[in-house]
Amino acid sequence: GAVVSQHPSRVICKSGTSVKIECRSLDFQATTMFWYRQFPKQSLMLMATSNEGSKATYEQGVEKDKFLINHASLTLSTLTVTSAHPEDSSFYICSARNPKGAGYEQYFGPGTRLTVT
Amino acid sequence: RKEVEQDPGPFNVPEGATVAFNCTYSNSASQSFFWYRQDCRKEPKLLMSVYSSGNEDGRFTAQLNRASQYISLLIRDSKLSDSATYLCVVNEVWGGNKLVFGAGTILRVKS
Repeated sequence: GAVVSQHPSRVICKSGTSVKIECRSLDFQATTMFWYRQFPKQSLMLMATSNEGSKATYEQGVEKDKFLINHASLTLSTLTVTSAHPEDSSFYICSARNPKGAGYEQYFGPGTRLTVT
Repeated sequence: RKEVEQDPGPFNVPEGATVAFNCTYSNSASQSFFWYRQDCRKEPKLLMSVYSSGNEDGRFTAQLNRASQYISLLIRDSKLSDSATYLCVVNEVWGGNKLVFGAGTILRVKS
């Protein structure tokens, strides 16, 4: 069964509004979660690393004030896309690393397809 | 230069064929390597980790050549259900243990 859930799976919003995406680890406590974005026919690009109880670490070129990340518990991280624009339309995927795992494998949520009109 | 490079394909093969994918990575300090599989409009799923000695899981065999910074995946006896995009993934230890994804290789298995 799924070890990471994501909600919603699909969202359509109007330009200028904000959208919150939730990512939950179901089988383990994840001190670290990751947020990715994937545009059509492209690979996953890491946006930020979400650390429980501390500020997220953003990748170069990702606006932290636009993509707000909160990791308030060991099983939940949220990504809020603020003032969304059509160019923010993408597939957003979260992942969690099992700290008890043998390697650095990450388990991915099912993704959220965001369409901004 | 991309950190992880893959031939995008597509590889079109008949059922039962053997197909091999290659991948190169640029950071010689990389520690962990994986192959993920991604179906259309779905999330990536871990297919297998890649170990230095090479490893096999059923019809899938992964190889790592650290000297050449090269990773391979061999699929034997291809099934229709193997059709997907195969992502070569490298864990970067510096900068916080991040996974770096290749753009993926498309496999289409046809009957």
